Amino acid sequence: AQKITQTQPGMFVQEKEAVTLDCTYDTSDQSYGLFWYKQPSSGEMIFLIYQGSYDEQNATEGRYSLNFQKARKSANLVISASQLGDSAMYFCAMRRNTGFQKLVFGTGTRLLVSP
Amino acid sequence: DADVTQTPRNRITKTGKRIMLECSQTKGHDRMYWYRQDPGLGLRLIYYSFDVKDINKGEISDGYSVSRQAQAKFSLSLESAIPNQTALYFCATSDQGEKLFFGSGTQLSVL
Repeated sequence: AQKITQTQPGMFVQEKEAVTLDCTYDTSDQSYGLFWYKQPSSGEMIFLIYQGSYDEQNATEGRYSLNFQKARKSANLVISASQLGDSAMYFCAMRRNTGFQKLVFGTGTRLLVSP
Repeated sequence: DADVTQTPRNRITKTGKRIMLECSQTKGHDRMYWYRQDPGLGLRLIYYSFDVKDINKGEISDGYSVSRQAQAKFSLSLESAIPNQTALYFCATSDQGEKLFFGSGTQLSVL
């Protein structure tokens, strides 16, 4: 069965600094996808970044990058140059690419960016 | 207009009442999902549908039912609401192999 673990309930970072949000996953599948979503206080779920299990390079999207270490089964999100608007809940999720492709979510990390 | 629209945005109801949450989408996706979010538990899948004739239970379907009225519409019903169904409910859609697009959520409180 798939499982996502986010061990950091909360993280603090100062504006303009970089922060890493941890995510480890457990799966016996060879083909899968990893996602990060942001949930601001308004409640909506915003897609940030995607990494495929066969992608050789780490995914990047603007200030977001995904530090993918397949052997360690980790998919950490790195936010560079944090901004006040980055304060939110962040969820890591995984989807298998065979069979039923449901998205399984971690419990989330709350990030607070201070001035 | 939003691609995935959920109604209502907020709902307060009493134990034992039947309630329906509605979701419509303009993205043209075949796949639709209902998730619930509880503090500390992340999002958990209630039901999913790959097309109008295909509906499947997710990991926490007890106490819920769904109806896929059309490709664009997927509704979630609580036949007899109970307090532990108080949660934030999300509808989502996807194309095969693609990321999920979420609605804005429905905050449901069962008193």
